[in-house]
Amino acid sequence: DVKVTQSSRYLVKRTGEKVFLECVQDMDHENMFWYRQDPGLGLRLIYFSYDVKMKEKGDIPEGYSVSREKKERFSLILESASTNQTSMYLCATYEVAKNIQYFGAGTRLSVL
Amino acid sequence: DQQVKQNSPSLSVQEGRISILNCDYTNSMFDYFLWYKKYPAEGPTFLISISSIKDKNEDGRFTVFLNKSAKHLSLHIVPSQPGDSAVYFCAAEISGTYKYIFGTGTRLKVLA
Repeated sequence: DVKVTQSSRYLVKRTGEKVFLECVQDMDHENMFWYRQDPGLGLRLIYFSYDVKMKEKGDIPEGYSVSREKKERFSLILESASTNQTSMYLCATYEVAKNIQYFGAGTRLSVL
Repeated sequence: DQQVKQNSPSLSVQEGRISILNCDYTNSMFDYFLWYKKYPAEGPTFLISISSIKDKNEDGRFTVFLNKSAKHLSLHIVPSQPGDSAVYFCAAEISGTYKYIFGTGTRLKVLA
């Protein structure tokens, strides 16, 4: 079974704080993704990484950055949290052999 | 520009009847399509997929139909069960990019 673990289920942060969301996978997948899910907007891709230290912007990268120092870990960073970044954040990995993305349980972030 | 659209935000169906969820896309480069199911406070889980070389794929109670000329796919659930109540997302991929474009989701409620 593929396991994608997001370190926090719920987070509450203040405007202007630097926020780290962590994601760890145990399947040696090369491709990892960060999405946010908002009502009526579906899942939108923030950033993805196709290898260690490699990253590409998704559809909504503004206000976010990422870090991938090790293959199993992909971090999403909110440099200065704002209220419009209140959302559900989902991490995923991609299994090339099956053409499937596997998701973590999500982190619900509230920025006050 | 929403490349993958789910025009029905919600759907209610009686237990035992058929549920039909619809999805339209605009990008003719998409050649792989998936359906994911999401329960509250959980990450999306893969349900079923279809390649553009096929027009139908079946897995137990779930069948996905693809109409390439209409750029339309649908998910049929027969018979519907209360445990199927969830949000369903369709997703599309250009093969080899590993990136999905998700629709906005349809909330299915199966009434006992």
